[in-house]
Amino acid sequence: DAGVTQSPTHLIKTRGQQVTLRCSPKSGHDTVSWYQQALGQGPQFIFQYYEEEERQRGNFPDRFSGHQFPNYSSELNVNALLLGDSALYLCASSLSGTNYNEQFFGPGTRLTVL
Amino acid sequence: AQKVTQAQTEISVVEKEDVTLDCVYETRDTTYYLFWYKQPPSGELVFLIRRNSFDEQNEISGRYSWNFQKSTSSFNFTITASQVVDSAVYFCALVSGTASKLTFGTGTRLQVTL
Repeated sequence: DAGVTQSPTHLIKTRGQQVTLRCSPKSGHDTVSWYQQALGQGPQFIFQYYEEEERQRGNFPDRFSGHQFPNYSSELNVNALLLGDSALYLCASSLSGTNYNEQFFGPGTRLTVL
Repeated sequence: AQKVTQAQTEISVVEKEDVTLDCVYETRDTTYYLFWYKQPPSGELVFLIRRNSFDEQNEISGRYSWNFQKSTSSFNFTITASQVVDSAVYFCALVSGTASKLTFGTGTRLQVTL
């Protein structure tokens, strides 16, 4: 049973560029959440997708957008990259139905913006 | 608004010592869930435990135990007879009300040495 997978593992971009990160949820899960973890900090919630729609959003600018596909996989897009966007981006999947279901996390994508 | 505070930034212990990681939370909701996650150097968050606001029973799982006290809004985590493999960053997190996002603390880095 494959867990949550994310690609790529590492990514280096320059300011102003755009980036797309990908996530495949754990088998059987239909909800995907994205988190940003800056160095030395706890993960911060970006948004959550369910049924191909954004269900919840944290305090992140519109430069951060996402998408969920019919197979429940998801993408996180960040436009006009800033140095401050450098972080570990974590994807978590869960099963809908309640708001307290355990979220399974992927290994993350480490984004460096130069 | 929800908030999780982990006042201990870093703890160092010698193997076989017991160690307690503190977590204090804030929420106005009467229904909420508390979590502990472990983040080893690989970066992937590993789920350890989930507790709901209506169950204040302490829980023990092997060398791990959790003490939930609503009176002090605390959900502390104790590792008995620590081992080098316990070295990691530990996060306390909260889900409350109708939201399904996890609100994390800033984490406690635990270093266990021989």
